[in-house]
Amino acid sequence: NFMLTQPHSVSESPGKTVTISCTRSSGDIASNFVQWYQQRPGSAPTIVIHEDKQRSSGVPDRFSGSIDSSSNSASLTISGLKTEDEADYYCQSYDNSNHVVFGRGTKLTVL
Amino acid sequence: EVQLVESGGGLAQPGRSLRLSCAVSGFTFDDYAMHWVRQVPGKGLEWVSGISWSSTYIAYADSVKGRFTISRDNAKNSLYLQMDRLRAEDTALYYCAKDNRYSSGYFTYFDFWGQGTLVAVSS
Repeated sequence: NFMLTQPHSVSESPGKTVTISCTRSSGDIASNFVQWYQQRPGSAPTIVIHEDKQRSSGVPDRFSGSIDSSSNSASLTISGLKTEDEADYYCQSYDNSNHVVFGRGTKLTVL
Repeated sequence: EVQLVESGGGLAQPGRSLRLSCAVSGFTFDDYAMHWVRQVPGKGLEWVSGISWSSTYIAYADSVKGRFTISRDNAKNSLYLQMDRLRAEDTALYYCAKDNRYSSGYFTYFDFWGQGTLVAVSS
C-alpha cells in the first residue's frame, strides 16, 4: 500500500490563494483518481474535488484540483480565500486491491 | 435527500464486541458500495472497510482485518460493522459513507457521509 503525505497545516490571508499538496509515496499518482474532502469542526467530511479535478456539486469555482506526475502529487488550490474556507482538508485515493487511502489532513487557517 | 444514520456506538471493554448499523435512505442502496471510515477525535480519517453492492467484494484496513466484519442487508437498506476483540485504539467516531460508483466492484470515493457514531473502548 502507498501513503499520501500532506502538510500538517497551511495559513493564508483572506482574498489570497493557497495550495495544499498531497504526495503519493509509491506508484503513479495518475494511476488512481485523487479526491479532496473538506471537514469543518464538528461536522462530517464533504467532498470538494473528485477524480483529480472535478468540482463536486455546489462547490464554488474558487476550488480546483490538479495532479503533477513529475512530483507524483496532487494539489488542491483555493483562490479568493474566505474565512468560511477554514477547515481540515483530506486527500484520498485508492489502489487496485480495493483499499482506500487517506492523507493525514491539512489544517487550513484563514487569518 | 440522501441520509445515512449510524447507530450502535457506545462504551465497550477491551476484548468485547460491538455492532454498528447504518440505515440508509434517499438512493437505491443495492446499487452502490458502502464503507466505514473512522476518526479519532482531533485526528485524521482512516478508512476501515468497504463492501460492494452485491457483497461480492469486501476489503479491510490492516488495522482491523480479522477482528471486524462488514456486511449489508439490501432488503433493509442497512450496512453493518461487527467489531470483535476491540482494542483501546479502536476508540473513534465511526462514519458510514456511500461510494460514488454505480454498480461496481471497485471502490472509489465517498459522496455522502453520515454524522457518525462514537465508539469508546476502555476498561
